[in-house]
Amino acid sequence: KQEVTQIPAALSVPEGENLVLNCSFTDSAIYNLQWFRQDPGKGLTSLLLIQSSQREQTSGRLNASLDKSSGRSTLYIAASQPGDSATYLCAVQRGSGYSTLTFGKGTMLLVSP
Amino acid sequence: EAQVTQNPRYLITVTGKKLTVTCSQNMNHEYMSWYRQDPGLGLRQIYYSMNVEATDKGDVPEGYKVSRKEKRNFPLILESPSPNQTSLYFCASSLLAGGHRDTQYFGPGTRLTVL
Repeated sequence: KQEVTQIPAALSVPEGENLVLNCSFTDSAIYNLQWFRQDPGKGLTSLLLIQSSQREQTSGRLNASLDKSSGRSTLYIAASQPGDSATYLCAVQRGSGYSTLTFGKGTMLLVSP
Repeated sequence: EAQVTQNPRYLITVTGKKLTVTCSQNMNHEYMSWYRQDPGLGLRQIYYSMNVEATDKGDVPEGYKVSRKEKRNFPLILESPSPNQTSLYFCASSLLAGGHRDTQYFGPGTRLTVL
C-alpha cells in the first residue's frame, strides 16, 4: 500500500527566505505527483503536477522536482512571502485512467513579515 | 468560471438522520471523487467515479454511498450518519486525458458534524 510522508510537519521562516518542502513515497510505480496548497478552512488548489517521466516543473517562484526511483519529491519556494503561508500537500497518483490520489499529511508553512 | 461546487458548506445533524452532500462540476470532467479530511489522518478517498454509472470504493467507503447519474453531479449519501463521520469533506474532479490535464480540482469543502 502506497504511503506518502511529508517532512517537516510544520515550518516557520522569515519573509524572503528560500525553502524546501519534502515528500517521500513508498511505491515508486506512480503515474504522477501533485503538489497542492490548502488555506485554512478552504479547499485545495493545485500548484504543480509532475509526470512520472519528468524530473521537474516550475511555476513562478515554485519549483517541484521528482526522483521516482528513490521515491522523493521536493517543492522549492523562492523568496518566500507572507501570502505563501498555508499547508502544502503532496499526492501521488497510481496510474493513468485510475486517478486515485494518495496524500501526505502536509507541511504547515508560516512566513512571517 | 470553471469550478467544483459543494452544498451545503456546513451541516450539523444527529445520528441516524439520512443526509446528502451535493457536488457539481462545470468542466465536463469524467473523473469525480470524494475525500474526507481528519486531523492527524490527512485526506482519504471515500469513493470515486470514472464516468456516468461507473463508481468504485476508495480507501474508506464504509457508511457512505454515491451515485453518478449525470456527468456533472456526484452526490455523497450518508444513509445513517454516526459521530465518527464528523469530518471535512471534499469533492474533486479531473479529466482522464493524461498529462497535465490529470490535475484535480477541488470543491471548497463541507464541514459535517454528527451529534
